[in-house]
Amino acid sequence: AQTVTQSQPEMSVQEAETVTLSCTYDTSESDYYLFWYKQPPSRQMILVIRQEAYKQQNATENRFSVNFQKAAKSFSLKISDSQLGDAAMYFCAYRTNRDDKIIFGKGTRLHILP
Amino acid sequence: DTAVSQTPKYLVTQMGNDKSIKCEQNLGHDTMYWYKQDSKKFLKIMFSYNNKELIINETVPNRFSPKSPDKAHLNLHINSLELGDSAVYFCASSLRQSREAFFGQGTRLTVV
Repeated sequence: AQTVTQSQPEMSVQEAETVTLSCTYDTSESDYYLFWYKQPPSRQMILVIRQEAYKQQNATENRFSVNFQKAAKSFSLKISDSQLGDAAMYFCAYRTNRDDKIIFGKGTRLHILP
Repeated sequence: DTAVSQTPKYLVTQMGNDKSIKCEQNLGHDTMYWYKQDSKKFLKIMFSYNNKELIINETVPNRFSPKSPDKAHLNLHINSLELGDSAVYFCASSLRQSREAFFGQGTRLTVV
């Protein structure tokens, strides 16, 4: 069965510092997508970044980047220059090409300390 | 301009009642979903529809019945509401087998 594990229920980082959120997943598929979603207190689910498994290059979106290690089935999110607005729940998620469902990890609550 | 919209945003109702949540997307996507987020923030898929056909039904009680009148709409009807149904319900849409899903703003259902 496909699973997504986020081992850090909560993390804190000082404003302007860098933080890395961890995610591992389990799959026997070779073709899939990985995502990080952000859920601020407003409840809205916002896509932060996505990575196609066939791409070796790590995805980046401004201050957000990932470290994708396919062999290790690891997909961590790095947030640089943390801002107060980054405070939210962050969900790692996985989807195969053969399936319609996106599977989510249990989330990491990120606090930004001023 | 809202891509995926759900109504209502909040729903408070008594046990035993029947209620519906509506969802519409204007992205031209062919796949729509219902997810349930519990009090611990865990997101679990309930249903997936592709071109109005039910694709995924993740062992959801029969009291939950999704209905897709067309590709742009996926409604969720819940019969005989129970206290344990209290949660945030998210509608989402995507192009099948094509990357990410876009989510609505969620409906917080409280059963009293």
